[in-house]
Amino acid sequence: NAGVTQTPKFQVLKTGQSMTLQCAQDMNHNSMYWYRQDPGMGLRLIYYSASEGTTDKGEVPNGYNVSRLNKREFSLRLESAAPSQTSVYFCASSEARHDYGYTFGSGTRLTVV
Amino acid sequence: KNEVEQSPQNLTAQEGEFITINCSYSVGISALHWLQQHPGGGIVSLFMLSSGKKKHGRLIATINIQEKHSSLHITASHPRDSAVYICAVRYNTDKLIFGTGTRLQVFP
Repeated sequence: NAGVTQTPKFQVLKTGQSMTLQCAQDMNHNSMYWYRQDPGMGLRLIYYSASEGTTDKGEVPNGYNVSRLNKREFSLRLESAAPSQTSVYFCASSEARHDYGYTFGSGTRLTVV
Repeated sequence: KNEVEQSPQNLTAQEGEFITINCSYSVGISALHWLQQHPGGGIVSLFMLSSGKKKHGRLIATINIQEKHSSLHITASHPRDSAVYICAVRYNTDKLIFGTGTRLQVFP
């Protein structure tokens, strides 16, 4: 099983450029998440989607938009990239049950110059 | 202040040593996760527990609900155990709160 697939793995953007990070899962999970990981900090939730057609803001949503295209796919868009968005981004999926684990994608290392 | 505190932040060990990583959290939770992040960056789920103890190979995770504390133990450590170990807690929501991680290096 592929699990959670993220693309691209690496990206360099210039300030002001836009891009979309793609995420797809093949485990039929309802819940999907986008996190960012910065040095010295725990993973922080950007946006999440509890089910197809719904999205909600997390802890650090400013500068991002998301789309839950269908049950499998959850994309993250940076409309106008800023250097503060330089980070490693992880997509994850799970079920909304306290006894259910999370599966993470392999991450996207984004640098905004 | 992070609601999930891990200690130590960094840990160095010799191969074969017994290792303990600690995690404390501030309020009642529905579940606690231990994750492993290798130098390549991928994150793998090791354990999820809401009470008691779980064991998988050389890894043991325990949780004390009353003390709001969990430990991850590695027996007979090996250089391939070198990674960042992350504790995350789940409250009565659909979201995780993450600790900042413990960086473990095991030398031969």
